[in-house]
Amino acid sequence: KQEVTQIPAALSVPEGENLVLNCSFTDSAIYNLQWFRQDPGKGLTSLLLIQSSQREQTSGRLNASLDKSSGRSTLYIAASQPGDSATYLCAVRDSSYKLIFGSGTRLLVRP
Amino acid sequence: DADVTQTPRNRITKTGKRIMLECSQTKGHDRMYWYRQDPGLGLRLIYYSFDVKDINKGEISDGYSVSRQAQAKFSLSLESAIPNQTALYFCATSDTAGPSEPGVYNEQFFGPGTRLTVL
Repeated sequence: KQEVTQIPAALSVPEGENLVLNCSFTDSAIYNLQWFRQDPGKGLTSLLLIQSSQREQTSGRLNASLDKSSGRSTLYIAASQPGDSATYLCAVRDSSYKLIFGSGTRLLVRP
Repeated sequence: DADVTQTPRNRITKTGKRIMLECSQTKGHDRMYWYRQDPGLGLRLIYYSFDVKDINKGEISDGYSVSRQAQAKFSLSLESAIPNQTALYFCATSDTAGPSEPGVYNEQFFGPGTRLTVL
């Protein structure tokens, strides 16, 4: 059974710092991996989607990498800003078309 | 206007009541999903539908039912609500990967969520 783990569960950093969020999964047979942002009481906003054949995706200050063989993905946020404060979720799509979610990392960027 | 909408956004109800949560999308996607999120946990799949005539159980379908009334509408029902169904419920949609892209599965887009409280 696929399991997705995100470490750390919570992170607090000063504004301007570069940071890395981690996501690991137990079964490397995935079709893609998606990173989401969730603001308190709000829905999920898709940030980046990495297909299984890809190694990384970039959008603005965000860069996500994927290493299927080791079951890991990282989300790199450059020059963090207070507006980046949110919960970040990763999810993998397995062979049954389902998205399996991690429990998220709560990020606080202090001014 | 939002591409994926959910109604109601908040609902408080009592144990034993029947509740329906509705989801509509204007993205033209074939695939629709219902998830629930509990505090400190990730999202878990309740039901999913790949087209109007297709309904599939997810990981936690007990106590729930769904109806795909049209391509754009997917409703989730709790026939007899119980307190442990208190959660945040999300609807999502995704497009169907084209036949020229085997193994490529498109991203999911989520609605704003419905906060349901069962007393």
